[in-house]
Amino acid sequence: ELKVEQNPLFLSMQEGKNYTIYCNYSTTSDRLYWYRQDPGKSLESLFVLLSNGAVKQEGRLMASLDTKARLSTLHITAAVHDLSATYFCAVGDTGTASKLTFGTGTRLQVTL
Amino acid sequence: DAGVIQSPRHEVTEMGQEVTLRCKPISGHDYLFWYRQTMMRGLELLIYFNNNVPIDDSGMPEDRFSAKMPNASFSTLKIQPSEPRDSAVYFCASSWGGGGNNEQFFGPGTRLTVL
Repeated sequence: ELKVEQNPLFLSMQEGKNYTIYCNYSTTSDRLYWYRQDPGKSLESLFVLLSNGAVKQEGRLMASLDTKARLSTLHITAAVHDLSATYFCAVGDTGTASKLTFGTGTRLQVTL
Repeated sequence: DAGVIQSPRHEVTEMGQEVTLRCKPISGHDYLFWYRQTMMRGLELLIYFNNNVPIDDSGMPEDRFSAKMPNASFSTLKIQPSEPRDSAVYFCASSWGGGGNNEQFFGPGTRLTVL
């Protein structure tokens, strides 16, 4: 059974600081997704990573995938308050690629 | 594109009542997923369909839950009878399997409260 772990679960950081969220998964997969959820809202797709070594960047967020280590990272550069949200990683099941297993989420709070 | 559409957005009902949640996927998508989100259990996949056929319903918690997809543009999730522990946000998502990345797009969700 595929298991997906994120850490930290909660992250409070000051504006302007850098930090990384980690996503580990238990079985082989080459599909990893990052989503953002604002309080009371739905999930918004941020990044789709489909191969080992894939790196995607959008603004202050950069995601990478290491399939050998079964690890993805979401790096935040010079955080701003607008990035406050919960971030989820999700891993594609190799048996049925369309099915995703989600991590527990990382609640990010950026303080002024 | 209107995105995934769900209705109702909020539902408050009493224990024992039947609840029906509705979803319209993005046009052209061939996969449809129903998720439930709670603080205690996080985001759980309940069931998903491919080309209107249920593929995996192992996440459906009990026989009180049922889901149908009568055509490519409509799906329902029914709870009968509802219980307070069913209170959660239910999300519908859709994706296109032919694109290679299987990215899922989520609807706005239905917040269900069972009293």
